Amino acid sequence: AQSVAQPEDQVNVAEGNPLTVKCTYSVSGNPYLFWYVQYPNRGLQFLLKYITGDNLVKGSYGFEAEFNKSQTSFHLKKPSALVSDSALYFCAVRDGGNNFNKFYFGSGTKLNVKP
Amino acid sequence: SAVISQKPSRDICQRGTSLTIQCQVDSQVTMMFWYRQQPGQSLTLIATANQGSEATYESGFVIDKFPISRPNLTFSTLTVSNMSPEDSSIYLCSGSRGRNEKLFFGSGTQLSVL
Repeated sequence: AQSVAQPEDQVNVAEGNPLTVKCTYSVSGNPYLFWYVQYPNRGLQFLLKYITGDNLVKGSYGFEAEFNKSQTSFHLKKPSALVSDSALYFCAVRDGGNNFNKFYFGSGTKLNVKP
Repeated sequence: SAVISQKPSRDICQRGTSLTIQCQVDSQVTMMFWYRQQPGQSLTLIATANQGSEATYESGFVIDKFPISRPNLTFSTLTVSNMSPEDSSIYLCSGSRGRNEKLFFGSGTQLSVL
């Protein structure tokens, strides 16, 4: 079965510092990995995805994520955090098999960026 | 990417009533889905909305409680029937254009049942 784990409920960083939001995954077959961000009272917005190719994926708003097959991780990173990055972040994996329509979401990590 | 319009954005309903949520995509999508997000929790897939046929429900969700329609490639509705306070949640419509494509989401419907 496919699953993702976000081990941190909350991450606190100071504005201007680098940030990392962790995600590990478990899949049978090739992983299709995604990061989404959710602002209060809003739906989820797509940040980036890894399907194949370079392990470092660049996405929206200066975010990037590194796919690490040996560690089964897909951590979200940003070199310099902004207060406006404060939001709820979800990692997701898509079933690469016959149930390719299904996404499995992590529990979410609340990012707090303080001025 | 496509834009999904979802309405209502929020509603407060009485126990025992039903609410229909509408989802309109500005362009054709292959797949449409309905998710539930309970307060402080992750997303749970309710069902896949199939064009012109019955939706495919996930374990724990049934058609009598959550009837879904998808008459064409750009529109779907989810009805929350015979509501109870336990149905209070955010309901999200989403779509995807293909196997390797991302999911994109509507802004959600925040439902409170009294």
